[in-house]
Amino acid sequence: GAVVSQHPSRVICKSGTSVKIECRSLDFQATTMFWYRQFPKKSLMLMATSNEGSKATYEQGVEKDKFLINHASLTLSTLTVTSAHPEDSSFYICSARDLAGFSEGYTFGSGTRLTVV
Amino acid sequence: AQTVTQSQPEMSVQEAETVTLSCTYDTSESDYYLFWYKQPPSRQMILVIRQEAYKQQNATENRFSVNFQKAAKSFSLKISDSQLGDAAMYFCAYRTYGGATNKLIFGTGTLLAVQP
Repeated sequence: GAVVSQHPSRVICKSGTSVKIECRSLDFQATTMFWYRQFPKKSLMLMATSNEGSKATYEQGVEKDKFLINHASLTLSTLTVTSAHPEDSSFYICSARDLAGFSEGYTFGSGTRLTVV
Repeated sequence: AQTVTQSQPEMSVQEAETVTLSCTYDTSESDYYLFWYKQPPSRQMILVIRQEAYKQQNATENRFSVNFQKAAKSFSLKISDSQLGDAAMYFCAYRTYGGATNKLIFGTGTLLAVQP
């Protein structure tokens, strides 16, 4: 089945630094990837929709200058948290849909736990 | 805008028993997809089951089945013969029919505990 590889799984960074999270579709082409943020025991909050070769579409209230999304190829999308602060600490998950598949569902990465100290 | 509601923040079931998780949604569309996702402690999202709105027959995947009531906009998940590995957060999700960029809309989740 479709697999999305997300790295790193955990990262600790100092306040003010930037962190990049990568998501790769391993066996399918993902023209669209979705980036979510999840707080403990809460639902997934969609941050942005990443489209290959074009600008990402951000959800209302999400700072596009803080959460930079790049989708330069059909298999790779990155989320960069710039000038990270402790309030950016969270669990970040990406997902993509295999358009060639028939599940109509989405495949999720394994998530990245970001801790800003 | 579409919304998904899960009214049970937490549920508990005895091992080998059956449990039903509730989900309701609001939409003006006639064609759409509904999903149940499982998120175990590892936090990996796993697709449990999906339902196409145009299909009247309820979807079934082994011990998991749904009760899809389109008119009532209800989509409950039944887990039969519950196992310890079923303990997880369960999310109900909605997606508009068609379109590669259509996003999933999630409910707030139900945390399921399985008692041995």
